This record gives sequence, structure tokens and C-alpha cells, in this order.
Amino acid sequence: QVQLVQSGAEVKKPGASVKVSCKASGYTFTSYGISWVRQAPGQGLEWMGWISAYNGNTNYAQKLQGRVTMTTDTSTSTAYMELRSLRSDDTAVYYCARDRGAVAGTIDYWGQGTLVTVSS
Amino acid sequence: DIQMTQSPSSLSASVGDRVTITCQASQDISNYLNWYQQKPGKAPKLLIYDASNLETGVPSRFSGSGSGTDFTFTISSLQPEDIATYYCQQYDNLPALTFGGGTKVEIK
Repeated sequence: QVQLVQSGAEVKKPGASVKVSCKASGYTFTSYGISWVRQAPGQGLEWMGWISAYNGNTNYAQKLQGRVTMTTDTSTSTAYMELRSLRSDDTAVYYCARDRGAVAGTIDYWGQGTLVTVSS
Repeated sequence: DIQMTQSPSSLSASVGDRVTITCQASQDISNYLNWYQQKPGKAPKLLIYDASNLETGVPSRFSGSGSGTDFTFTISSLQPEDIATYYCQQYDNLPALTFGGGTKVEIK
């Protein structure tokens, strides 16, 4: 069965960086993309960006351009999302998710989420 | 970016009731519209893709319709396990995906 297993919770200070991992199993990793979605406490869903696991092409949400980097390691079927210059409003649960789309589109399997807390 | 407006933001209904949620796009998105269910403390789950297609394994009481700018999500007979927040999501305006604000469904 398809599984996406994310790394554990993180606590960071403002200005620091965080890198969340997402290990995929149960499907051919390079046949799908990975989207990253975050959810601030008590708020809705915000798409952060997408990476093709086939060729590493990326598309990032405009508001995060310059602060976010998404990568994959096909040898371990793992995706990574790094967010830099953290602010308090980056506090959220971060989800990785398998994306069926050629450039992002329909998200059909989700990781369990990683809580990132930004606090001084 | 395309804005997705969901309504209502919350609703309360009885078990067995028919529940309808609407989602309006700020511009024509054809049928590039998905619906997700999120239970408290859990990741979202895909229910409907391409506006009206039921994802494999999802109960048939869930359905979706619409195209262009106006979309509807329906639960034909509300069950206790359907308590959740529901989100619409467009993918016409690639590479940017956008979600609606969510509709919280509660049991009366």
C-alpha cells in the first residue's frame, strides 16, 4: 500500500531553517510528483509547491519563492522540503503528498504531517 | 491566483440528512476541481476528483458536480463518521494549486 512517512516534529527559532523528510513506499516513486501543503493551527490548507520525482522539476507558491527548496533522492524514495528564514507565522503542520498531476494537480495520498513550531 | 470561495463555512445537520457544500472559483476552471475530507488531527483524504469522479474506495453517498466556476459537493445521507472539514481545491491555474477555506460539518 502507498505510504508516505514524514520526519518528526521540530522546534526552531525565528531566522533558522527546517528540513522535513518524506519517505515514500508502495509505489514507483519516479512515476509521481510530490506536493507539500501546510496548515497553520486552526486554519485551512495552503499549497507550498510541487516537485517531480522523475526529473526534479519544481514549482513553488509565489509567496514562498526564495525561502523554500524541494528536493528528492530517488535512491531512497525520499522527498525533502527546506524552509529558510523561519518566522512565527510559519508555525504549522507540514504535509507531503503524492501528486498525480504532470505539473501538480490531484493529491491522492498524504503523509502523517510534521509539526514545525517557530518560537523564540 | 484563482480564489476559491466555499460556503457555508460551517453547518450542523442530523444523521440521515442531505448535506450540500458549494465552491465558487474566481474564474473558469473547467472541471479541474477536487474535494477532500479532513478529520480532526488527521491528514486530508481525497474524495472526489475532476469535479465529479468518486475516488476508489470512497462511499457512494459522496458526490460532486459542476463545471466552470460553480461546484457542489453532496453527502446524500449524513453519517456520524462524516464529521470533518471539507475542502475544495482547484488545479486549473497551474502551477499554483489553491484550496477553498473549508466547511466544517457537525452533527445536530
